[in-house]
Order: sequence, then structure tokens, then C-alpha cells
Amino acid sequence: DIQMTQSPSSLSASVGDRVTITCRASQGFNNYLAWYQQKPGKVPKLLIYAATTLQSGVPSRFSGTGSGTDFTLTISSLQPEDVATYYCQKYNSAPLTFGGGTKVEIK
Amino acid sequence: EVQLVESGGGLVQPGRSLRLSCAASGFTFDDYGMHWVRQAPGKGLEWVSGITWNSGSIGYADSVKGRFTISRDNAKNSLYLQMNSLRAEDTALYYCAKDKRDLIVGAIGDAFDIWGQGTMVTVSS
Repeated sequence: DIQMTQSPSSLSASVGDRVTITCRASQGFNNYLAWYQQKPGKVPKLLIYAATTLQSGVPSRFSGTGSGTDFTLTISSLQPEDVATYYCQKYNSAPLTFGGGTKVEIK
Repeated sequence: EVQLVESGGGLVQPGRSLRLSCAASGFTFDDYGMHWVRQAPGKGLEWVSGITWNSGSIGYADSVKGRFTISRDNAKNSLYLQMNSLRAEDTALYYCAKDKRDLIVGAIGDAFDIWGQGTMVTVSS
């Protein structure tokens, strides 16, 4: 099975900073990669699918890049409402594995 | 409004069984694959199981294979998870989630665009 490793596991940045989260797969696969945001005490929310496509209603400061084994989620200008844990997930085939999560806080 | 509502969680002793349900509304349920995802207290997300729109393909995480069974009743717009031989490590908030794309053929899964609020399962003596 393909394992998904996220880094860093946590980060602290200032409002307005550019933030990058990485997700690395143990084997390459097509671009069936999603990113989710989970705010404290809330349900996960789909941000990006197919590695680079922004889900409807998601602010344009979020973007996704990558292919094969290496994928990134970028927040171009961190906002206070972006405090959350972010997860990547592969969905090319079962098991639909999530990464371990990256907790983003405001410095 | 598109909505998923889970039920059936609770406190159960190790080795016992529990059946979770997920009631769907606001979309054509029988066009979409569905999944169960769990989150242990203070931990990350873990995909548990998924089923295609026509029940043609089903998948499980290794951690639950042989103990959990996913099913759906398209006439009732409902998804189920039968959980047997429960263990302490199954303690988690269980979410149901919907595939973003409809009528996926030959494979389980898509990005999950709609999630329920979850139902808590606690396995303890």
C-alpha cells in the first residue's frame, strides 16, 4: 500500500506569510490527490482535488501543485481563519490513505 | 441542502458489535460512492471503508478488514457500517463522506466533498 507522509507536522507563521505543506507518497501515482482543512472541533472540508483544482468556494490564496510522489499545498498569504490542521489524501485506489496532518498556527 | 447524518454510535464493550447508519439527503444518493472515515480522539483522519454507487466495488482499511462490513440501501438513501469484534483502538468519531464525482466505474473513491458531523464510538469495558 502507498503511504502518505506530510511535513512538517506543525508550523507557526505570521499573518500574511506564505505557507507550504508537503505530502510525499511512498510510490508514484496519478494526480488523484486531495487536500482537506479541519478547523478545531469541526468537520473536514475539501480544499483541493486532482492535486491542483480548487474546490468551489475555497479562497484563491490556497493552491496545490505536484505530481507523481511529491505534492504541495500553499497558502499564499496566511489569514487568522486558516488556523487548522491540513490533511492530504490519495484516492487513486483503495486504501484511500490520509497523510498524518499538518497543524498550522499563527505566530 | 446536501446533508449526511450519522447515527448508531455509543459505548460498547470490547468484542461486541455495533451498526452505524448514515442518512443522506439533498442529492441523488444512488449516483455516488460513499465512505466511512474515523478520527480517534486527538488523532488524524483514517479512511475505514468505501463502497461504489452500485455496490460493485468495496474496500477496507487493513485495520478493519474481516471485522467491519460496509453496505448501502439506495432505496433508503442510507449507508451502513457493521462493526464486529470491536477493540479499544476502534474508539473514534466516525464520519460518513460522499464522493465528489458521480458514477465512478471500476474503482473506489474520489475526493470527499460532503461530510457528516460524525457519530462517536467508544469501545471500553
